Amino acid sequence: EPEVTQTPSHQVTQMGQEVILRCVPISNHLYFYWYRQILGQKVEFLVSFYNNEISEKSEIFDDQFSVERPDGSNFTLKIRSTKLEDSAMYFCASSEHSLRGGYTFGSGTRLTVV
Amino acid sequence: AQTVTQSQPEMSVQEAETVTLSCTYDTSESDYYLFWYKQPPSRQMILVIRQEAYKQQNATENRFSVNFQKAAKSFSLKISDSQLGDAAMYFCAYRRMDSNYQLIWGAGTKLIIKP
Repeated sequence: EPEVTQTPSHQVTQMGQEVILRCVPISNHLYFYWYRQILGQKVEFLVSFYNNEISEKSEIFDDQFSVERPDGSNFTLKIRSTKLEDSAMYFCASSEHSLRGGYTFGSGTRLTVV
Repeated sequence: AQTVTQSQPEMSVQEAETVTLSCTYDTSESDYYLFWYKQPPSRQMILVIRQEAYKQQNATENRFSVNFQKAAKSFSLKISDSQLGDAAMYFCAYRRMDSNYQLIWGAGTKLIIKP
């Protein structure tokens, strides 16, 4: 069964450093998403991406965040200057174009900012 | 704005018994999707079951079934013959149709299976 692959599974970084979280969505999917889950809290939407541009973003997704699809297969989330409160599980997901299509989530990247 | 509420922070059930997890939501839309996701200790997010709002029939997937009450905006998950591997956080989610299909999540219910 097709999978969404996320790397790394766990990353520890110092406050103020830049991190790049990587995702390989399912090949025939057209919509891509990043969500995050702070430990013990709700899953929160960050951004959706379609046709090589951001289609929607939440209030959380401020100027320190960016996404891109550099090579047509990878989908990355960059956090420019990490803060302690960025520590969370980050999930990538992809979905088919069809309204009837479902989401497939990756296994997540646990980001720890120290 | 749409909201999803899971009123049970934690539920426990004896192995092989049946348990029902509750979820309510608020929306003014008539067409949408509802999902139950399972998050085991590994924290991977796994789709359990989904329901299209326009369908009257309740979705089922093996031991998992839903009770979808559209008028009451209720979407409960029933797990039959509970197994130890069912122990996890369970999240109810609502999928919007008006903006790129963003998911809106409940706070989750922790399910404990007693052997």
